[in-house]
Amino acid sequence: GAGVSQSPSNKVTEKGKDVELRCDPISGHTALYWYRQRLGQGLEFLIYFQGNSAPDKSGLPSDRFSAERTGESVSTLTIQRTQQEDSAVYLCASTFSFGTGTQAFFGQGTRLTVV
Amino acid sequence: DQQVKQNSPSLSVQEGRISILNCDYTNSMFDYFLWYKKYPAEGPTFLISISSIKDKNEDGRFTVFLNKSAKHLSLHIVPSQPGDSAVYFCAAGGSNYKLTFGKGTLLTVNP
Repeated sequence: GAGVSQSPSNKVTEKGKDVELRCDPISGHTALYWYRQRLGQGLEFLIYFQGNSAPDKSGLPSDRFSAERTGESVSTLTIQRTQQEDSAVYLCASTFSFGTGTQAFFGQGTRLTVV
Repeated sequence: DQQVKQNSPSLSVQEGRISILNCDYTNSMFDYFLWYKKYPAEGPTFLISISSIKDKNEDGRFTVFLNKSAKHLSLHIVPSQPGDSAVYFCAAGGSNYKLTFGKGTLLTVNP
């Protein structure tokens, strides 16, 4: 596709259930980021993938959160045993690489609501 | 440790006036800076960028200024329009540094 695609666009889940969010980056982009934005808050970095390097997981808020990416393709963000504080918009972005001139392209986000 | 800071969570200006959004960073190794704009229910979209070899970059009504010695950049919007009302994020990156975003500033342009 022409842009970063995220699915689902909206997800309502019950507290305690697991959820999986998907991100399809722009073809050829080697770097992929996950962020979340809680209501009224800024962008919160979660995890960063760059090619075959070990991902930067420094932003994951707890061990309930994990993410995978196979090569330079799709990434999935999994939240286990969801809590109400996990409610947020989860945003994915991809770039060709990091470095001068790099621009990150964002998807539309997945709005997660934990009830 | 927040490497990119936007200290003003919100800003309100009158239509036609100048909007100035500010951003500070701490990592002197950053050499590329970007501004993104985000409307509700949409992902952030790229607005304008600047390399550390420049101190100014202009694109229409939008100008970004970089003061490397102060580790400060700003986005000027002149003249401001109601459609500019959005959250603006500043980001910094560079060779071997992932893009790091600030928390954002909500700009409201009043008609």
